[in-house]
Amino acid sequence: ETGVTQTPRHLVMGMTNKKSLKCEQHLGHNAMYWYKQSAKKPLELMFVYSLEERVENNSVPSRFSPECPNSSHLFLHLHTLQPEDSALYLCASSQETGRDTQYFGPGTRLTVL
Amino acid sequence: GQNIDQPTEMTATEGAIVQINCTYQTSGFNGLFWYQQHAGEAPTFLSYNVLDGLEEKGRFSSFLSRSKGYSYLLLKELQMKDSASYLCAVRGSRSNDYKLSFGAGTTVTVRA
Repeated sequence: ETGVTQTPRHLVMGMTNKKSLKCEQHLGHNAMYWYKQSAKKPLELMFVYSLEERVENNSVPSRFSPECPNSSHLFLHLHTLQPEDSALYLCASSQETGRDTQYFGPGTRLTVL
Repeated sequence: GQNIDQPTEMTATEGAIVQINCTYQTSGFNGLFWYQQHAGEAPTFLSYNVLDGLEEKGRFSSFLSRSKGYSYLLLKELQMKDSASYLCAVRGSRSNDYKLSFGAGTTVTVRA
């Protein structure tokens, strides 16, 4: 299944680094999402984009900055992260926001030292 | 808000049946999803229930009772490859932008 791809799959960064996570969907969907998955915790919705417009920002710290240049690509720019930001970051897409099934990418395992 | 509870871990034997329960308290309801997630991989869609009753898909079935705020995922004829985490997710109402809220997941271990 390669409908939603994410790169890199693993990332280790220091607290002063700047890095970006990339997500690409090949399903022709109009909505894309970023989730954070920490160990033993529920997935937390971070951002929602619909037709390249951000429609949801779930009280995420400004050190996370999303970008959606077109409906197939989604980025998450990271800067001055904290060790507690270490987690699996999952991207998902759906046909539209709301009533459609979301399909997930494999995630980026992020470790902040 | 949404509160979704499911057991943390379950263990079963190959060939057996396992039932994973999910209870929820929500301010709005517009369907319940089950996803399977193998370690290090993407959550993959298994089932969707919006009306009461049982939905069957091969070895997997999902049940919903809206009045009880309760669902279960039934895995039959367990195989080793079914060892994974199973995520219950509830979709909120239109006033909540149909947001998906997830449980913490149930890790199922299938033993030979």
